[in-house]
Amino acid sequence: QVQLVESGGGVVQPGRSLTLSCAASGFTFSSYAIHWVRQAPGKGLEWVAIIYRDGSERYYGDSVKGRFTISRDNSRDTLYLQMNSLIAEDTAVYYCAREGDTNGWNWFDPWGQGTLVTVSS
Amino acid sequence: EIVLTQSPDFQSVTPKEKVTITCRASRTVGSSLHWYQQKPDQSPKLLIKYASQSVSGVPSRFSGSGSGTDFTLTINNLEAEDAAVYYCHQSSGLPFTFGPGTKVEIK
Repeated sequence: QVQLVESGGGVVQPGRSLTLSCAASGFTFSSYAIHWVRQAPGKGLEWVAIIYRDGSERYYGDSVKGRFTISRDNSRDTLYLQMNSLIAEDTAVYYCAREGDTNGWNWFDPWGQGTLVTVSS
Repeated sequence: EIVLTQSPDFQSVTPKEKVTITCRASRTVGSSLHWYQQKPDQSPKLLIKYASQSVSGVPSRFSGSGSGTDFTLTINNLEAEDAAVYYCHQSSGLPFTFGPGTKVEIK
């Protein structure tokens, strides 16, 4: 079945870096754009970034622009999120989510189970 | 940035009741508005795509309507398993945004 599995979360000190991974299976990974979405504890959903299917275009939310980098390895069916200069406000569960269709901007489906990042000294 | 607002923030309802959640966009998103359900300790699940299109595997008691700036998610014959937070999401323009969520509690 179509599945996304995140990993790499943990506790990290402010100012440090962390890289998240999202392993895809059950579909042709290289045919879909993929997103990162985060959710701070007890809060709503915040879109973080998108990378197009061939990596040719990437866009970011304002709160992470210049600090986070989204990338993908289509040969490994894996998505990444490199997070630098982490601050307390980056504490959240990070989800990867697939674009709903192979063209354009659409709904997000499916979502991974999420990985928790805690930024704390 | 397109801001999405939802109402109500919270709703407590009894089983078999009808629930209506509204989502308003700060500018038109056409029909590029989608709905998700998130149960405690779970990831969001797609309920409705493009304002009113049904999603395979989602019970028929969930339906959506609207276009432009005003949208509605309706849950008919509410069941206990529908206790969750419901989010709207626009894919009309960057940055993609979500509504703040509506929590539905079962009495």
